[in-house]
Amino acid sequence: QKEVEQNSGPLSVPEGAIASLNCTYSDRVSQSFFWYRQYSGKSPELIMSIYSNGDKEDGRFTAQLNKASQYVSLLIRDSQPSDSATYLCALVPRSGGSQGNLIFGKGTKLSVKP
Amino acid sequence: EAGVTQSPTHLIKTRGQQATLRCSPISGHTSVYWYQQALGLGLQFLLWYDEGEERNRGNFPPRFSGRQFPNYSSELNVNALELEDSALYLCASSLARASGNTIYFGEGSWLTVV
Repeated sequence: QKEVEQNSGPLSVPEGAIASLNCTYSDRVSQSFFWYRQYSGKSPELIMSIYSNGDKEDGRFTAQLNKASQYVSLLIRDSQPSDSATYLCALVPRSGGSQGNLIFGKGTKLSVKP
Repeated sequence: EAGVTQSPTHLIKTRGQQATLRCSPISGHTSVYWYQQALGLGLQFLLWYDEGEERNRGNFPPRFSGRQFPNYSSELNVNALELEDSALYLCASSLARASGNTIYFGEGSWLTVV
Protein backbone atom coordinates (compact mmCIF):
# COMPACT_ATOMS: atom_id res chain seq x y z
CA GLN A 1 0.00 0.00 0.00
CA LYS A 2 1.35 3.38 -1.00
CA GLU A 3 2.02 5.71 1.90
CA VAL A 4 0.47 8.83 0.40
CA GLU A 5 -2.21 8.69 -2.26
CA GLN A 6 -3.63 11.46 -4.35
CA ASN A 7 -5.90 11.57 -7.37
CA SER A 8 -3.62 12.55 -10.23
CA GLY A 9 -6.33 14.60 -11.93
CA PRO A 10 -6.40 16.77 -13.82
CA LEU A 11 -8.90 18.60 -11.68
CA SER A 12 -10.49 21.37 -13.68
CA VAL A 13 -12.40 24.21 -12.00
CA PRO A 14 -13.67 27.54 -13.30
CA GLU A 15 -12.11 30.76 -12.11
CA GLY A 16 -13.62 31.89 -8.83
CA ALA A 17 -14.72 28.42 -7.77
CA ILE A 18 -13.49 26.36 -4.83
CA ALA A 19 -10.92 23.71 -5.67
CA SER A 20 -10.83 20.72 -3.36
CA LEU A 21 -7.74 18.52 -3.29
CA ASN A 22 -7.63 15.32 -1.27
CA CYS A 23 -4.97 13.04 0.08
CA THR A 24 -5.08 9.80 2.06
CA TYR A 25 -2.24 8.18 3.93
CA SER A 26 -1.46 4.83 5.46
CA ASP A 27 0.82 5.68 8.40
CA ARG A 28 -1.51 6.00 11.36
CA VAL A 29 1.03 7.72 13.58
CA SER A 30 2.12 10.45 11.18
CA GLN A 31 1.96 13.81 12.89
CA SER A 32 3.12 16.35 10.33
CA PHE A 33 1.42 17.07 7.03
CA PHE A 34 2.26 19.49 4.27
CA TRP A 35 0.88 20.80 1.03
CA TYR A 36 3.30 21.92 -1.67
CA ARG A 37 2.58 23.56 -4.99
CA GLN A 38 4.74 22.81 -8.00
CA TYR A 39 4.55 24.71 -11.24
CA SER A 40 5.72 22.88 -14.33
CA GLY A 41 9.49 22.74 -14.48
CA LYS A 42 9.88 24.37 -11.09
CA SER A 43 10.65 23.13 -7.59
CA PRO A 44 7.92 22.56 -5.00
CA GLU A 45 7.03 25.46 -2.74
CA LEU A 46 5.33 25.10 0.62
CA ILE A 47 1.74 26.29 0.86
CA MET A 48 0.70 25.06 4.27
CA SER A 49 1.57 22.73 7.08
CA ILE A 50 -0.92 21.17 9.49
CA TYR A 51 -0.31 19.10 12.58
CA SER A 52 -3.63 18.99 14.46
CA ASN A 53 -7.05 17.69 13.57
CA GLY A 54 -9.38 20.29 12.14
CA ASP A 55 -9.01 23.22 9.79
CA LYS A 56 -6.18 25.66 9.29
CA GLU A 57 -6.74 28.73 7.16
CA ASP A 58 -4.22 30.94 5.41
CA GLY A 59 -5.67 33.45 3.00
CA ARG A 60 -7.51 31.62 0.24
CA PHE A 61 -6.14 28.27 1.39
CA THR A 62 -7.62 25.96 4.02
CA ALA A 63 -6.01 22.70 5.04
CA GLN A 64 -8.12 20.09 6.75
CA LEU A 65 -6.78 17.13 8.71
CA ASN A 66 -8.68 14.10 9.96
CA LYS A 67 -6.30 11.67 11.60
CA ALA A 68 -9.00 9.14 12.47
CA SER A 69 -9.92 8.82 8.80
CA GLN A 70 -6.32 9.32 7.66
CA TYR A 71 -6.95 12.03 5.17
CA VAL A 72 -5.83 15.57 4.61
CA SER A 73 -7.31 18.01 2.16
CA LEU A 74 -6.62 21.44 0.72
CA LEU A 75 -9.33 23.87 -0.28
CA ILE A 76 -8.55 26.81 -2.52
CA ARG A 77 -11.22 29.49 -2.48
CA ASP A 78 -11.72 31.96 -5.33
CA SER A 79 -9.47 29.90 -7.58
CA GLN A 80 -7.33 31.88 -10.01
CA PRO A 81 -5.66 30.77 -13.26
CA SER A 82 -2.35 31.35 -11.46
CA ASP A 83 -3.31 28.53 -9.09
CA SER A 84 -2.97 26.09 -11.98
CA ALA A 85 -0.20 23.75 -10.86
CA THR A 86 0.41 20.34 -9.38
CA TYR A 87 -0.35 20.11 -5.67
CA LEU A 88 1.69 17.69 -3.64
CA CYS A 89 0.61 16.21 -0.34
CA ALA A 90 3.45 15.20 1.97
CA LEU A 91 3.93 13.80 5.43
CA VAL A 92 6.65 12.81 7.81
CA PRO A 93 6.08 9.13 8.58
CA ARG A 94 6.70 8.13 12.15
CA SER A 95 6.85 4.37 11.65
CA GLY A 96 9.31 2.14 9.91
CA GLY A 97 12.60 3.45 8.60
CA SER A 98 11.41 6.71 7.11
CA GLN A 99 11.44 8.90 10.15
CA GLY A 100 12.56 12.42 9.44
CA ASN A 101 12.20 12.70 5.68
CA LEU A 102 9.07 13.78 3.83
CA ILE A 103 7.14 11.26 1.80
CA PHE A 104 5.22 12.76 -1.10
CA GLY A 105 2.15 11.76 -3.01
CA LYS A 106 2.34 11.90 -6.79
CA GLY A 107 0.35 15.10 -6.82
CA THR A 108 -2.92 16.35 -8.24
CA LYS A 109 -2.79 18.56 -11.29
CA LEU A 110 -5.15 21.51 -10.96
CA SER A 111 -6.32 23.56 -13.92
CA VAL A 112 -8.27 26.76 -13.30
CA LYS A 113 -10.10 27.91 -16.39
CA PRO A 114 -10.66 31.66 -16.95
CA GLU B 1 18.46 35.31 3.30
CA ALA B 2 19.63 32.91 0.61
CA GLY B 3 17.53 29.85 -0.04
CA VAL B 4 18.71 26.38 -0.90
CA THR B 5 21.11 26.60 -3.79
CA GLN B 6 21.94 23.80 -6.19
CA SER B 7 24.49 23.39 -8.93
CA PRO B 8 24.72 22.79 -11.75
CA THR B 9 21.33 23.81 -13.09
CA HIS B 10 21.64 21.47 -16.04
CA LEU B 11 23.97 18.58 -16.66
CA ILE B 12 24.26 16.29 -19.66
CA LYS B 13 26.13 13.03 -19.26
CA THR B 14 26.68 9.90 -21.26
CA ARG B 15 25.46 6.52 -20.11
CA GLY B 16 28.05 4.90 -17.86
CA GLN B 17 29.56 8.17 -16.67
CA GLN B 18 29.34 9.66 -13.20
CA ALA B 19 27.42 12.76 -12.19
CA THR B 20 27.97 14.96 -9.13
CA LEU B 21 25.34 17.39 -7.95
CA ARG B 22 25.86 19.93 -5.21
CA CYS B 23 23.62 21.60 -2.67
CA SER B 24 24.01 24.38 -0.12
CA PRO B 25 21.29 24.47 2.53
CA ILE B 26 19.69 27.53 4.04
CA SER B 27 21.95 29.06 6.66
CA GLY B 28 21.35 27.38 10.00
CA HIS B 29 19.77 24.26 8.52
CA THR B 30 21.55 21.04 9.38
CA SER B 31 19.40 18.52 7.52
CA VAL B 32 19.69 18.02 3.78
CA TYR B 33 17.44 15.83 1.66
CA TRP B 34 17.76 14.64 -1.91
CA TYR B 35 14.80 13.73 -4.08
CA GLN B 36 14.50 12.47 -7.63
CA GLN B 37 11.63 13.55 -9.84
CA ALA B 38 11.56 11.74 -13.14
CA LEU B 39 9.26 13.01 -15.88
CA GLY B 40 5.64 12.30 -14.99
CA LEU B 41 6.53 10.74 -11.66
CA GLY B 42 6.29 12.02 -8.13
CA LEU B 43 9.13 12.99 -5.86
CA GLN B 44 11.06 9.93 -4.83
CA PHE B 45 13.10 10.19 -1.65
CA LEU B 46 16.77 9.45 -2.20
CA LEU B 47 18.86 10.41 0.82
CA TRP B 48 18.71 12.31 4.07
CA TYR B 49 21.74 13.74 5.85
CA ASP B 50 21.78 15.35 9.23
CA GLU B 51 24.83 16.60 11.11
CA GLY B 52 27.12 14.95 8.61
CA GLU B 53 25.58 11.51 8.90
CA GLU B 54 23.37 9.60 6.48
CA ARG B 55 20.14 9.12 8.39
CA ASN B 56 18.02 7.34 5.81
CA ARG B 57 17.99 6.38 2.18
CA GLY B 58 15.22 5.56 -0.21
CA ASN B 59 14.78 2.57 -2.44
CA PHE B 60 17.61 3.35 -4.85
CA PRO B 61 20.62 1.23 -5.85
CA PRO B 62 24.02 1.81 -4.19
CA ARG B 63 25.32 3.70 -7.21
CA PHE B 64 23.37 6.63 -5.78
CA SER B 65 25.43 7.99 -2.94
CA GLY B 66 26.30 11.23 -1.30
CA ARG B 67 27.76 12.97 1.65
CA GLN B 68 27.35 16.00 3.85
CA PHE B 69 30.26 18.26 4.63
CA PRO B 70 31.05 20.00 7.95
CA ASN B 71 29.45 23.20 6.63
CA TYR B 72 26.26 21.15 6.01
CA SER B 73 26.48 21.42 2.25
CA SER B 74 25.99 18.17 0.42
CA GLU B 75 26.71 16.42 -2.81
CA LEU B 76 24.93 13.62 -4.58
CA ASN B 77 26.91 11.22 -6.73
CA VAL B 78 25.36 8.96 -9.31
CA ASN B 79 27.71 6.35 -10.73
CA ALA B 80 27.33 4.22 -13.84
CA LEU B 81 24.62 6.48 -15.20
CA GLU B 82 21.65 4.88 -16.90
CA LEU B 83 19.17 6.51 -19.26
CA GLU B 84 16.42 6.27 -16.65
CA ASP B 85 18.47 8.41 -14.27
CA SER B 86 17.43 11.40 -16.36
CA ALA B 87 15.39 13.49 -13.97
CA LEU B 88 15.14 16.62 -11.91
CA TYR B 89 17.15 16.20 -8.73
CA LEU B 90 15.90 18.32 -5.89
CA CYS B 91 17.75 19.18 -2.74
CA ALA B 92 15.92 20.43 0.32
CA SER B 93 16.94 21.53 3.78
CA SER B 94 15.38 21.93 7.19
CA LEU B 95 16.24 22.77 10.75
CA ALA B 96 17.26 19.44 12.26
CA ARG B 97 14.74 16.72 11.45
CA ALA B 98 11.81 17.39 9.16
CA SER B 99 9.26 16.28 11.71
CA GLY B 100 7.62 19.51 12.76
CA ASN B 101 10.11 21.48 10.69
CA THR B 102 9.37 22.69 7.21
CA ILE B 103 11.66 21.61 4.42
CA TYR B 104 12.54 24.07 1.70
CA PHE B 105 13.54 23.07 -1.79
CA GLY B 106 16.18 24.39 -4.11
CA GLU B 107 15.47 24.97 -7.79
CA GLY B 108 16.86 21.60 -8.73
CA SER B 109 19.43 20.17 -11.08
CA TRP B 110 18.28 18.72 -14.38
CA LEU B 111 20.29 15.65 -15.27
CA THR B 112 20.04 14.29 -18.78
CA VAL B 113 21.69 10.99 -19.61
CA VAL B 114 22.19 10.29 -23.29
